[in-house]
Amino acid sequence: QQQVKQSPQSLIVQKGGISIINCAYENTAFDYFPWYQQFPGKGPALLIAIRPDVSEKKEGRFTISFNKSAKQFSLHIMDSQPGDSATYFCAASNTNFNKFYFGSGTKLNVKP
Amino acid sequence: EAQVTQNPRYLITVTGKKLTVTCSQNMNHEYMSWYRQDPGLGLRQIYYSMNVEVTDKGDVPEGYKVSRKEKRNFPLILESPSPNQTSLYFCASSSPFSQLRRYYNEQFFGPGTRLTVL
Repeated sequence: QQQVKQSPQSLIVQKGGISIINCAYENTAFDYFPWYQQFPGKGPALLIAIRPDVSEKKEGRFTISFNKSAKQFSLHIMDSQPGDSATYFCAASNTNFNKFYFGSGTKLNVKP
Repeated sequence: EAQVTQNPRYLITVTGKKLTVTCSQNMNHEYMSWYRQDPGLGLRQIYYSMNVEVTDKGDVPEGYKVSRKEKRNFPLILESPSPNQTSLYFCASSSPFSQLRRYYNEQFFGPGTRLTVL
């Protein structure tokens, strides 16, 4: 049973558009919600993360929106660029930051 | 350069032949983890370690062993590999105390090891 559910599986966006990836979780003990970006042949790299005490976190073109009551969080990529084409994973962790649960991934393709 | 290294990067083996995948980090991190990545399933945590001689099971530990005898190394051992362990494996390290992190206990991943068990 997947602890973190991610959608869509794949996403095609035109250059300059907004990419939106959604995740949902059930376990209310989760206390940390990172997003990872993975390019082909590379390991995942932390992109942006949020704690449940805030509803939004922004870093440049990347924003996490967090809805604690709905147990959902999403990644928004503004002004999407071809260089953003990668696989994105959401994740959730407990307070000890030792156990991590990842979503199934979203393959983003930004068309020039 | 701060990094996590894994060896080998590619490995093809046969069922039942014991193998070890090494992982080493040069950032003095306390926490280390092993993950496997499979299409449609994302990354799943196999084992994690919070410090030397402290290890615990992740989500999918069956068929794997780990040890943490030194802070920098965290090898993954498959005593009797089976075809269902064919996967892409990642090692990661992190620290609540590191000055290099952007976020608390930020995980840094290695480049991956692609394992095929015939």
